[in-house]
Amino acid sequence: RKEVEQDPGPFNVPEGATVAFNCTYSNSASQSFFWYRQDCRKEPKLLMSVYSSGNEDGRFTAQLNRASQYISLLIRDSKLSDSATYLCVVNKPTNAGKSTFGDGTTLTVKP
Amino acid sequence: NAGVTQTPKFQVLKTGQSMTLQCAQDMNHEYMSWYRQDPGMGLRLIHYSVGAGITDQGEVPNGYNVSRSTTEDFPLRLLSAAPSQTSVYFCASSYGGQGYGYTFGSGTRLTVV
Repeated sequence: RKEVEQDPGPFNVPEGATVAFNCTYSNSASQSFFWYRQDCRKEPKLLMSVYSSGNEDGRFTAQLNRASQYISLLIRDSKLSDSATYLCVVNKPTNAGKSTFGDGTTLTVKP
Repeated sequence: NAGVTQTPKFQVLKTGQSMTLQCAQDMNHEYMSWYRQDPGMGLRLIHYSVGAGITDQGEVPNGYNVSRSTTEDFPLRLLSAAPSQTSVYFCASSYGGQGYGYTFGSGTRLTVV
């Protein structure tokens, strides 16, 4: 089993739709979690951190479920510009220098 | 403030050649890492460093060496290039610790023929 798993998609949604991605992790002691966005042939860019209490940034909401060992990313009112691959990252509990990336979920928002 | 700078952006090597991919950051970040990304396989950690003089292996370290003589620089050396090392290489840096995400460089696209 991979340490971090994501549904690869692709998710194809119309503009204005709400879409959610999940990311499961295997190490129950993992301490910090992040969502990144990667556009085609570009570097990943940090989208948001995921806190235990959940956090929101505009149309984006990230949540952590420690009991079930997954994090989620919710995008409301999808825009064409949201089309990208979304990567989740989990840091090992004793070594934050060794971040593990999921393989990513591809989102395409269509007019 | 340049962030994370990687050079070169593109490189073609012949099998057996060696080269160094350069990575520099100007954010005074403690942590630096090298990842490779192959089509459909996501990012895999090659080597990482949690401070000057400290390096450690990641998931796929074979065929690569690193050193961290300064906080700013973290070069990746390919010892004897092989076609299996054809990939996109990303360098990333972070303040360190559990609460900080990484800033990535724009990548080096390497082809080994």
